[in-house]
This record gives sequence, structure tokens and C-alpha cells, in this order.
Amino acid sequence: DTAVSQTPKYLVTQMGNDKSIKCEQNLGHDTMYWYKQDSKKFLKIMFSYNNKELIINETVPNRFSPKSPDKAHLNLHINSLELGDSAVYFCASSQAGQGAYNEQFFGPGTRLTVL
Amino acid sequence: AQSVTQLGSHVSVSEGALVLLRCNYSSSVPPYLFWYVQYPNQGLQLLLKYTSAATLVKGINGFEAEFKKSETSFHLTKPSAHMSDAAEYFCAVRRSGGYNKLIFGAGTRLAVHP
Repeated sequence: DTAVSQTPKYLVTQMGNDKSIKCEQNLGHDTMYWYKQDSKKFLKIMFSYNNKELIINETVPNRFSPKSPDKAHLNLHINSLELGDSAVYFCASSQAGQGAYNEQFFGPGTRLTVL
Repeated sequence: AQSVTQLGSHVSVSEGALVLLRCNYSSSVPPYLFWYVQYPNQGLQLLLKYTSAATLVKGINGFEAEFKKSETSFHLTKPSAHMSDAAEYFCAVRRSGGYNKLIFGAGTRLAVHP
């Protein structure tokens, strides 16, 4: 069974469009994350939600809006897509808390291409 | 603030040779350190983590890493490379308190040739 799943796996769209990426985890975790991996493979955290509450919000354009309907789901909506948004977006989840044993489990990624 | 530097964006070894991937960290508080592996077109998988319990950490697939505070390093090693080890490897740090926020290094691509 897939632990952290994302849909779609690939997303190709035109500049200016609005798109969403969905993430679901069945691990019983209460913290979820979105990461962006650019073309040089650099990974950077964007957002984190704990029990549907936003707890980490890095310097991300406000065209990006995460939404957590429940603690098993964290979706990412992107408005007015730009060429620079092309990247692989990874969802992850973990248990809450500060312990080091709260390993983050990653989804397979969504490759977004903006034309 | 925490940061991670991975020396060498590409490392190439022969099958059966020693694998050494370098990671140096910067942290103002005791860090937790992680190595993740990313196979082509896949997500990240945790190889091992340092949580201050032991300085030599053993992970999956025969990998291990040693935490050296004096050198601020957490290098990843494997005695004998397999073809299946070819992947991208990421070192990451997070502070021992606060939110579970991982700071990743730029990654090292490991190539294994026959």
C-alpha cells in the first residue's frame, strides 16, 4: 500500500493557468509538508501543516496556497502559473513533535511543466 | 541557522569500490542529521539518521555514516558499491528543537560503473 501518494504524477500546463496537486497519506501522521525540487535537484521546503494548521510557511509567492481539509490530506493550489514554477513537487508526512524519530516520508513527486 | 554542504555534485565509483559521499553541516544547536536517497523518478527514501544516540549510524542497504562534531561532518560510506546504488543522495539537517523542518544539501549523484 502506498504510504504517501500524490496526484497527478505529471502535469503539463500553459502559463497563466491555475492548477492543483493533491496529496494523501495513510500513515496516521498529523504533520504534512510540501517541498519543491528545482531542475538542479535542489530541495526546499515550502509549507508544513500540523493537524490542519499551517506551521511552516517559507518565502513562497502567494500564488501558492496550501489547503488541508483533514490531517491525511494536503493539497497545493497554484494560481497564474509561471515558467519558473516548473519543478518536481514532493509531499511528505511525519508524526508531530520535535523528536528526531519523526522521520519524514516522501511521496513519489509531481513533475509540473509550465509551457 | 542550519545549513548543509555536500562536497561533490557527482561521484563515480567502480562496482565493488568504496563509496564516500561528503556532508558538512552548520548548526548553532545540536543537530539531527539525515541521509536520503532518491532513485530516478522516485521520491526520497531515508537511508539513516543521527539523533545523538551513537556517532556511528548504520542504515539500510549497507550504508553507514559517522557524526564528527569536531569536523562538523556526517559523511556517508559503503564498503562495496553495487550497480543498484546509482542514485541521488541528499544530506539534511534539522535542529533538535522546534518544528520538523529539514534543510537539504544540494545532493550528490552517485554513478556506479562495471
